[in-house]
Amino acid sequence: AIRMTQSPSSFSASTGDRVTITCRASQGISSYLAWYQQKPGKAPKLLIYAASTLQSGVPSRFSGSGSGTDFTLTISCLQSEDFATYYCQQYYDYPRTFGQGTKVEIK
Amino acid sequence: EVQLVESGGGLVQPGGSLRLSCAASGFTFNNYWMSWVRQAPGEGLEWVANIKQDGSDKYYVDSVKGRFTISRDNAKNSLFLQMNSLRAEDTAVYYCARPYTRVSDAFDIWGQGTVVTVSS
Repeated sequence: AIRMTQSPSSFSASTGDRVTITCRASQGISSYLAWYQQKPGKAPKLLIYAASTLQSGVPSRFSGSGSGTDFTLTISCLQSEDFATYYCQQYYDYPRTFGQGTKVEIK
Repeated sequence: EVQLVESGGGLVQPGGSLRLSCAASGFTFNNYWMSWVRQAPGEGLEWVANIKQDGSDKYYVDSVKGRFTISRDNAKNSLFLQMNSLRAEDTAVYYCARPYTRVSDAFDIWGQGTVVTVSS
């Protein structure tokens, strides 16, 4: 199975900060990568697919980049509603696999 | 409104069985692969299984192979997960999920989840 490793696992940030989360795949996955946001007690929300395509309705402060094995999710100006846990997911091969998550907390 | 609604969760003893259902509405169900994704308490997301539009192809994560069976009824816009030989480690919230396109597994539509607890 393709292992997805996110870093960091958690961090604290302030509103207005620019934040970057990294996701590394154990083997190449082309651009078959999605990013999700999840808040406590809620289902995940798709933010980005195909590594860099913003899902409809998602604010433009979210962006994704990368291909192959290394990917990043960037939030250009952190808002209060962005404090959540973020997951990457590959859909290049079976089984589909997620990263372990990155929790963004308020500083 | 595009919607997925899961049901069928509950408390079951180790070794027992449970059948989850997911009712789809607001989109053409038989156009999409469909998946089940689970999340153990306090843990991350784990993809469990998916099924092709016509039910002819199915894939599973290794930990559930031989115990879980995914199926669908396109006439009733419904997805199912039959879970047998349940273990404590199957305790989780189970979500059904729809991909954003017919041939992708980036999931843009999720249900609210149904809770499965395996305990004696």
